[in-house]
Amino acid sequence: RKEVEQDPGPFNVPEGATVAFNCTYSNSASQSFFWYRQDCRKEPKLLMSVYSSGNEDGRFTAQLNRASQYISLLIRDSKLSDSATYLCVVNKKGDDYKLSFGAGTTVTVRA
Amino acid sequence: NAGVTQTPKFRILKIGQSMTLQCAQDMNHNYMYWYRQDPGMGLKLIYYSVGAGITDKGEVPNGYNVSRSTTEDFPLRLELAAPSQTSVYFCASSYYRDRERSGLQPQHFGDGTRLSIL
Repeated sequence: RKEVEQDPGPFNVPEGATVAFNCTYSNSASQSFFWYRQDCRKEPKLLMSVYSSGNEDGRFTAQLNRASQYISLLIRDSKLSDSATYLCVVNKKGDDYKLSFGAGTTVTVRA
Repeated sequence: NAGVTQTPKFRILKIGQSMTLQCAQDMNHNYMYWYRQDPGMGLKLIYYSVGAGITDKGEVPNGYNVSRSTTEDFPLRLELAAPSQTSVYFCASSYYRDRERSGLQPQHFGDGTRLSIL
């Protein structure tokens, strides 16, 4: 089983719509969680960290469910500029140096 | 703010040639990483370093070597280029706070080196 699994999508949504997707992780000892964004042929960029109580950053909301071992990302009022691949990233406790990257979920926002 | 700088941005190599991908960061990060990303795939860790003089293998180290003589620089060496090493290579850096405070911090990436082996 992969350490981090994501639905590859693509999620095709109209502007203004809400889109949400999950990521599951296999190691219950994981301790740090992030969402990164990657535009086509560009470097990954940190979108937001995910905190235990859930957190929001503008139109983006991240949730962590430790019992079911998944994190989620919700994008409200989608913009064309939100079109990208969203990478789920997890750091395992005891594996202090390394992050495990999911393969990404592709979101396409259409006009 | 330069952040993580990778050179070159593009390179075409012939099979069997060697080259070094350069990576430098100016954020005084202790951790540095090399990843490769094949088309449509996720990032795979090649090598990482937790500080000057310390390096370790990641998931896919075969065919690569690294060194970390300074905090700032973390070059990746391909000794005998093979077509399977055609990929986009990303260097990243981060720092680590003790677990009681926040653990591993997010990684900052360079903008990549696109390498083709023909």
